Amino acid sequence: RKEVEQDPGPFNVPEGATVAFNCTYSNSASQSFFWYRQDCRKEPKLLMSVYSSGNEDGRFTAQLNRASQYISLLIRDSKLSDSATYLCVVKEDVGGGFKTIFGAGTRLFVKA
Amino acid sequence: EAQVTQNPRYLITVTGKKLTVTCSQNMNHEYMSWYRQDPGLGLRQIYYSMNVEVTDKGDVPEGYKVSRKEKRNFPLILESPSPNQTSLYFCASSRTVTQPQHFGDGTRLSIL
Repeated sequence: RKEVEQDPGPFNVPEGATVAFNCTYSNSASQSFFWYRQDCRKEPKLLMSVYSSGNEDGRFTAQLNRASQYISLLIRDSKLSDSATYLCVVKEDVGGGFKTIFGAGTRLFVKA
Repeated sequence: EAQVTQNPRYLITVTGKKLTVTCSQNMNHEYMSWYRQDPGLGLRQIYYSMNVEVTDKGDVPEGYKVSRKEKRNFPLILESPSPNQTSLYFCASSRTVTQPQHFGDGTRLSIL
């Protein structure tokens, strides 16, 4: 089983749609959680950190459920510019060190 | 400007010829990391460093070396490159071990 799993998609949605991405992680010692976006093999860019209380940034909402080891990202009112690959990222405490594990990414295409 | 700088951006070389990819950050970050990204596999962590003189293996360390003699620099060394190390490489840094990471622009490495 992969340490961080995401639905690879692709998700094809029209402009204005609401789309949700899910991510599960296997290590209960995971400490920090993030969503990144990546465009066409460019560098990943931080979209938002994810907290247990949930957090929102404009059209984007992230949720963390530690009991179920589950992270989600909701994008409302999708724009063409939201087309990208969305990466779920987890930092794990490995006993004296902190590894960073990326999900394989979920591809989103927003169409006019 | 806060940034992570990798050099070179592109390199084509031959099997067995030692090479170094440099990474430098100007944000006084403690945590630095190297990743490789391959189609279908996502980003995988090669090595990371939690501070000066502290380095640890990630998920795919074989064939690579790193050093962290100064806080700002974290070079990736391929002592004897092989074709299976052809990949897109990213360096990243974060202020602490649990904070989100900033990425360099990437290095496209081709080993013939």
